[in-house]
Amino acid sequence: ETGVTQSPTHLIKTRGQQVTLRCSSQSGHNTVSWYQQALGQGPQFIFQYYREEENGRGNFPPRFSGLQFPNYSSELNVNALELDDSALYLCASSLRTGGSSSYEQYFGPGTRLTVT
Amino acid sequence: AQKVTQAQTEISVVEKEDVTLDCVYETRDTTYYLFWYKQPPSGELVFLIRRNSFDEQNEISGRYSWNFQKSTSSFNFTITASQVVDSAVYFCALSEYRTGGYQKVTFGTGTKLQVIP
Repeated sequence: ETGVTQSPTHLIKTRGQQVTLRCSSQSGHNTVSWYQQALGQGPQFIFQYYREEENGRGNFPPRFSGLQFPNYSSELNVNALELDDSALYLCASSLRTGGSSSYEQYFGPGTRLTVT
Repeated sequence: AQKVTQAQTEISVVEKEDVTLDCVYETRDTTYYLFWYKQPPSGELVFLIRRNSFDEQNEISGRYSWNFQKSTSSFNFTITASQVVDSAVYFCALSEYRTGGYQKVTFGTGTKLQVIP
């Protein structure tokens, strides 16, 4: 186990609703990244949070937003859910030190979101 | 732009056979990192290895070995004497290196390995 936890495990929402997914990073880690993994695909980078600020973003619309808290845990919020948002959402924590970005990411078990 | 290609969608082997998973990548960066992850049915990605672009030395860890060839932009993964527990989806990934910046990891589409007893 990596020490990264995510909640909930599974979630079913209706199109147009909003959802919040949660991630607790591994102890001592200060960076959290979120990924979307559609069925049969590799994870796609959504964004990364470092020291409570969004630090980089992939090709996802603004209705995907996030937060990082002082204890480095994080939330992913998705507004106006669409059917294509159905996927496994993975968070990964890492320890970023100095200028190096070569850090290993430790993934949580994911939240499976189904939008009907 | 970064790209990772795993041409093998699914592979089936009989237990104890050797199997190689291919990974080809594209990047304009001269400094980058390559990764392999294992994803069992439970869904959690398990880190296997990280290599930086300046280290082309091959690596062996137990039954696992990795062959990094910069000349062909490939980072292949071999499992020797496969076991049923190796059955999973394996992802190759590429990370851009940015001093003071963020780490964006690009994953391939994965290779599903089935080891038959």
